[in-house]
Amino acid sequence: KAGVTQTPRYLIKTRGQQVTLSCSPISGHRSVSWYQQTPGQGLQFLFEYFSETQRNKGNFPGRFSGRQFSNSRSEMNVSTLELGDSALYLCASSWTTGTTRTGELFFGEGSRLTVL
Amino acid sequence: AQKITQTQPGMFVQEKEAVTLDCTYDTSDQSYGLFWYKQPSSGEMIFLIYQGSYDEQNATEGRYSLNFQKARKSANLVISASQLGDSAMYFCAMREGRRNNRLAFGKGNQVVVIP
Repeated sequence: KAGVTQTPRYLIKTRGQQVTLSCSPISGHRSVSWYQQTPGQGLQFLFEYFSETQRNKGNFPGRFSGRQFSNSRSEMNVSTLELGDSALYLCASSWTTGTTRTGELFFGEGSRLTVL
Repeated sequence: AQKITQTQPGMFVQEKEAVTLDCTYDTSDQSYGLFWYKQPSSGEMIFLIYQGSYDEQNATEGRYSLNFQKARKSANLVISASQLGDSAMYFCAMREGRRNNRLAFGKGNQVVVIP
């Protein structure tokens, strides 16, 4: 069974540019969540999508946005990039949103963004 | 306020020994879930174990077990018979409520297994 796939794995951008990251969840999973990981702030929740609807949003500025398509694939976009946006962006998928008996939430390998 | 606290410094563990990673959490919700993830240097977060707040038994998954002490708000991970491949960062995380996948993570524990 294929895991969560994130593309691109690595990318370099300059300040002021915008970037789009893609996440393909495990087949059958309808919930996709995004997290930002930096050395200083650790892992922080960005947003969650379930059945094409944003269900939760973390405490990030409006430059960070996302969407989910009917096939559950998700994209996140960061506009007007800042140096502090350099991070590992992780996507996680689950078949549902919320509690399951096993609580399985599977992560991809992440997209590592460097902003120069 | 920090919801998940992991305060242990980096740890060196002898191969085949057990290791306990501490995690304390803070929530006023009655329904919540606790997770442990492993992150090797490749960056992928690997799901290890889950404990629901209403689960009466401590969760176990192979060599991983979760020592859940609800009154103390602690959810320590025990790895038995450490292997070299267990060297990684370990994160404790919590989901508050039921209908979401919004996790709050701790800062992580670095574990290095030595032969």
